[in-house]
Amino acid sequence: QLQLQESGPGLVKPSETLSLTCTVSGGSISSDTYYWGWTRQPPGKGLEWIGGVNPSGRTNYNPSLKSRITTSLDTSKNQFSLRLSSMTAADTAVYYCARGYLTVAGVWWGQGTLVTVSS
Amino acid sequence: QSALTQPASVSGSPGQSITISCTGTSSDVGSYNFVSWYQQHPGKAPKNLIYDVSNRPSGVSNRFSGSKSGNTASLTISGLQSEDEADYYCSSYTSSSTLVFGGGTKLTVL
Repeated sequence: QLQLQESGPGLVKPSETLSLTCTVSGGSISSDTYYWGWTRQPPGKGLEWIGGVNPSGRTNYNPSLKSRITTSLDTSKNQFSLRLSSMTAADTAVYYCARGYLTVAGVWWGQGTLVTVSS
Repeated sequence: QSALTQPASVSGSPGQSITISCTGTSSDVGSYNFVSWYQQHPGKAPKNLIYDVSNRPSGVSNRFSGSKSGNTASLTISGLQSEDEADYYCSSYTSSSTLVFGGGTKLTVL
C-alpha cells in the first residue's frame, strides 16, 4: 500500500523559505506515469493547488506561486520536496503531498502538515 | 487562474440523492474531460472520488458518480449516508497546463 508522509518545520518566520519533504513508501517515485505534487489548505479555507513534478523533470506550478516555488525529486531516497520562498502569514496552511497525474492533483495523499508563518 | 465555482453548501436526507455543481470556463472545465472530485472530512486529507469527469478510483463506492455538460461538471451522491457528510471539492485541468480547485461545498446530511 502506497504511503506518503510530509515532514518539515511547523513554524517559519516571515520572509524565510519553507522546505518540506514527502517520503514515499510502498511504491517508487521513479515511474514517469505519475506526478508528485503539493496542495495546501489555509485554516478554515479551501484547497489550493501548488504544483507538481514528474521524474522526467517536467514541472507545473500555480501561476500565483510560480515565482516562489521549487520542487524536486530524490529517487535515491524515494522522496520529493517543495521549497517556497518569501513566506508570509498568508502562506500559513496545512500542506499536503500527493501522487497524482498531470491532470489529477492527487489520488494518494499524505496526512498533511501544518505550517505556521509567524515571528 | 480563478477558482471553479461551487455552491457553499448542500443538504439532503439519508437515502436521497444530491448533486453538487462545479462551474468553470472554456479554458478549463469546458475544454477538457479532466475534472476530479474530492471528499474531505474534518481534519483529514482529501480523498479522490472521481477523475476524468466520471471515473472512480478502485475502492470508491458506486454511489458517487460524475458528469459534465459544457462548462459545468457535477457530482451526484445517491443513497445518501451519514458518513457522506463532508466537504467536497472539484478540480480541473486548465489550458495553462495547471490545475485549479473549486471553493468547496459543505454537504450536510439531515
